[in-house]
Amino acid sequence: QITLKESGPTLVKPTQTLTLTCTVSGFSLSTTGVGVGWIRQPPGKALEWLALIYWDDDKRYSPSLRSRLTIAKDTSKKQVVLTMTNMDPVDTATYYCAHTLGIAAAGLDYWGQGTLVAVSS
Amino acid sequence: QTVVTQEPSLTVSPGGTVTLTCASSTGAVTTDYYPSWVQQKPGQSPRTLIYSTTNKNSWTPARFSGSLLGGKAALTLSGVQPEDEADYYCMLYYGDVQGVVFGGGTKLTV
Repeated sequence: QITLKESGPTLVKPTQTLTLTCTVSGFSLSTTGVGVGWIRQPPGKALEWLALIYWDDDKRYSPSLRSRLTIAKDTSKKQVVLTMTNMDPVDTATYYCAHTLGIAAAGLDYWGQGTLVAVSS
Repeated sequence: QTVVTQEPSLTVSPGGTVTLTCASSTGAVTTDYYPSWVQQKPGQSPRTLIYSTTNKNSWTPARFSGSLLGGKAALTLSGVQPEDEADYYCMLYYGDVQGVVFGGGTKLTV
């Protein structure tokens, strides 16, 4: 049974760096083809893709946010970590992680429950 | 900047059929964009119903189907149920550099 769970701060101040952790179970981050992506959703708004990391450490980023994002994985801890620098109130959103076996051909099949992050002073 | 466009809202009667579409600002949507369709009910996490244009996940009800229609990706619901009321997002793949882009979502009212 594949599950993903996001964790991190619920409140960050403007200009701070956000660090989110996605803890997975039911699969290995080192299995060929496996990827974990991050997607966010501001309150009442649409989904926005942020970043993706594959089993071989290949990384992909949203072009509009590339300069602020870093994605990494710790296979032994079964965790994928996303950092976003220079946070702004417009970054207030629910952040989801999701599993994929190839985001193009297989899409994002399993999603976490999401974690709401507010950016405010 | 690439924009993916969906109908903001649609209304359908129970038992009816409705088609949601997904257009790309870059031109016609083809299978090379690997369209996915994601359903999100209020207060819930998203779940992917359709991937790679037409493929269903094990949890996808048979009444949902994906296709290409007139240069757009399409999601058709046949025999709509009240529980299908939700927001639906399409997701298109633009290659390794640009990655994926979500549409603005369609709010489906049953």
